[in-house]
Amino acid sequence: DAKTTQPNSMESNEEEPVHLPCNHSTISGTDYIHWYRQLPSQGPEYVIHGLTSNVNNRMASLAIAEDRKSSTLILHRATLRDAAVYYCILRDAGGTSYGKLTFGQGTILTVHP
Amino acid sequence: KAGVTQTPRYLIKTRGQQVTLSCSPISGHRSVSWYQQTPGQGLQFLFEYFSETQRNKGNFPGRFSGRQFSNSRSEMNVSTLELGDSALYLCASSSERRGEQYFGPGTRLTVT
Repeated sequence: DAKTTQPNSMESNEEEPVHLPCNHSTISGTDYIHWYRQLPSQGPEYVIHGLTSNVNNRMASLAIAEDRKSSTLILHRATLRDAAVYYCILRDAGGTSYGKLTFGQGTILTVHP
Repeated sequence: KAGVTQTPRYLIKTRGQQVTLSCSPISGHRSVSWYQQTPGQGLQFLFEYFSETQRNKGNFPGRFSGRQFSNSRSEMNVSTLELGDSALYLCASSSERRGEQYFGPGTRLTVT
């Protein structure tokens, strides 16, 4: 599995935007970039995913670099409920990655009131 | 739509015993994956089932096994429990084998 690198922790203030970076320099052409988050005492929650183009949904935006070697998850207005561990994961669209997510250590996001 | 449910939520077992955990996926989802989460190793993939067949397996010993039923419900079994098996066991379901996964709340297993 291609590896991702994320900062161990980040802090933000409530109602401010948050940019969570992820480096994936060994990404292959068939790897999708997925983001999940895990709130305290809960299972992980799907946030967003993309391949090449930037993506938006009701939770967040995903900005993907032109060379695809990095991406940024953007939370437009952080709330206290967004405090969680955020995981950036590469998933191969081909191969034998059926049903498998490879989690790294993720980024612990702290949101201050 | 009801989410992924896991039973039991908490379990305490003794070394050497075996345990069975259950997962009910979101209605219509045919893929069920299992993960183990520990403070030291983080989230690790155990195996995935699709239409009652195990299609992918992580790097865990044979003491960890699973199955899936025709209604897509899944169980995982751990035999001869060790202290190191204490963990949060999570299952996730997906509507397609490479689609986004929806996780249950997990079963917290403590082995004493």
